[in-house]
Amino acid sequence: AQSVSQHNHHVILSEAASLELGCNYSYGGTVNLFWYVQYPGQHLQLLLKYFSGDPLVKGIKGFEAEFIKSKFSFNLRKPSVQWSDTAEYFCAALSGNEKLTFGTGTRLTIIP
Amino acid sequence: GAVVSQHPSRVICKSGTSVKIECRSLDFQATTMFWYRQFPKQSLMLMATSNEGSKATYEQGVEKDKFLINHASLTLSTLTVTSAHPEDSSFYICSARDYLAGGNEQFFGPGTRLTVL
Repeated sequence: AQSVSQHNHHVILSEAASLELGCNYSYGGTVNLFWYVQYPGQHLQLLLKYFSGDPLVKGIKGFEAEFIKSKFSFNLRKPSVQWSDTAEYFCAALSGNEKLTFGTGTRLTIIP
Repeated sequence: GAVVSQHPSRVICKSGTSVKIECRSLDFQATTMFWYRQFPKQSLMLMATSNEGSKATYEQGVEKDKFLINHASLTLSTLTVTSAHPEDSSFYICSARDYLAGGNEQFFGPGTRLTVL
């Protein structure tokens, strides 16, 4: 069965620090990958997605992610975080059966 | 972008009663909608896939008689939690896919927080 793992459960950073959140998936076939963000009290929003092509994907708000097939990874990065990036981040994978599988999420806290 | 709404946003009910949650795609047609459940500080777990005009497909371990799903139109799916108990208290989130626009992106509703007393 497909699974998605996020090893960082809670990350605390100071403003302007660089961010990298890990995401690994287990699925041997073609997979679409997503990063969603959930700000406090708000609904899930799509940050970026990878379907095919350039493995370096740029999303909204300065986020990017790199798909590394050999490592089954899709890590999220941002060179300089802001206080407003405080949120819960979810990695998700969509496999051939069209079901979206979510990771357990990473809570990001940015200290001003 | 595509907008999905849920109603109500929050509901408190007594044990043994039934609660209906609505999920609407506001500016697109959704032949397929998905229902998820999110426990505190945990991830979203897919409960069922709702297909317009046909029976929902439930994930393993989800009781279809307890969580009734109806997808009667291209813009509305409902989830009814029957005979609710405190362990059903959770955050329920729906999503919808805009097939006409292509792609596999799901658009999520704001969620409904259910508290069963």
